Amino acid sequence: DAGVTQSPTHLIKTRGQQVTLRCSPKSGHDTVSWYQQALGQGPQFIFQYYEEEERQRGNFPDRFSGHQFPNYSSELNVNALLLGDSALYLCASSGTRGDTQYFGPGTRLTVL
Amino acid sequence: DAKTTQPPSMDCAEGRAANLPCNHSTISGNEYVYWYRQIHSQGPQYIIHGLKNNKTNEMASLIITEDRKSSTLILPHATLRDTAVYYCIVRVNSGYALNFGKGTSLLVTP
Repeated sequence: DAGVTQSPTHLIKTRGQQVTLRCSPKSGHDTVSWYQQALGQGPQFIFQYYEEEERQRGNFPDRFSGHQFPNYSSELNVNALLLGDSALYLCASSGTRGDTQYFGPGTRLTVL
Repeated sequence: DAKTTQPPSMDCAEGRAANLPCNHSTISGNEYVYWYRQIHSQGPQYIIHGLKNNKTNEMASLIITEDRKSSTLILPHATLRDTAVYYCIVRVNSGYALNFGKGTSLLVTP
């Protein structure tokens, strides 16, 4: 039973560029949450998707957007990248009732 | 969600029990206590969660005080692979975001 998968593992972008990160949830899960983890900090909640809609959003600017597909996989898009967007981006999946979240390995984004 | 307080760091000798405390004095009646850990640069790993009764699984035991204002995560026989940052999170079970604090950095030494 595959767990949560994320791609790519690492990527490097330059300021002003746009990036798309991808996540496939654990089998049987339909809810996907995204988190940003800066170096030395705990993960910070970006948003959660359920039934292809954004259900809850953390304190992140509109440059951060997402999408959920009918197969429950999800994308995180970040526009106009800033140096401060360099972080580990984590995806977590859970069942319909928003219970226990299981995390993927993360995508390490470096913005130069 | 209620706020949690954890010590920033702890040490434990390999083979001994690691007891990680968490204070959540403002916890509400419908809020659960969740524990996750994060080994360096990996995604957080779910360990255990509970409402008011003590819980045990293959990874750890969770002891919640009767007034639910604090809890302790117990790793019964710590190994070097248990070195990680441990996060205590309080959350309603149907809630959305997990609010991670700074956690406790546990170092298991030989």
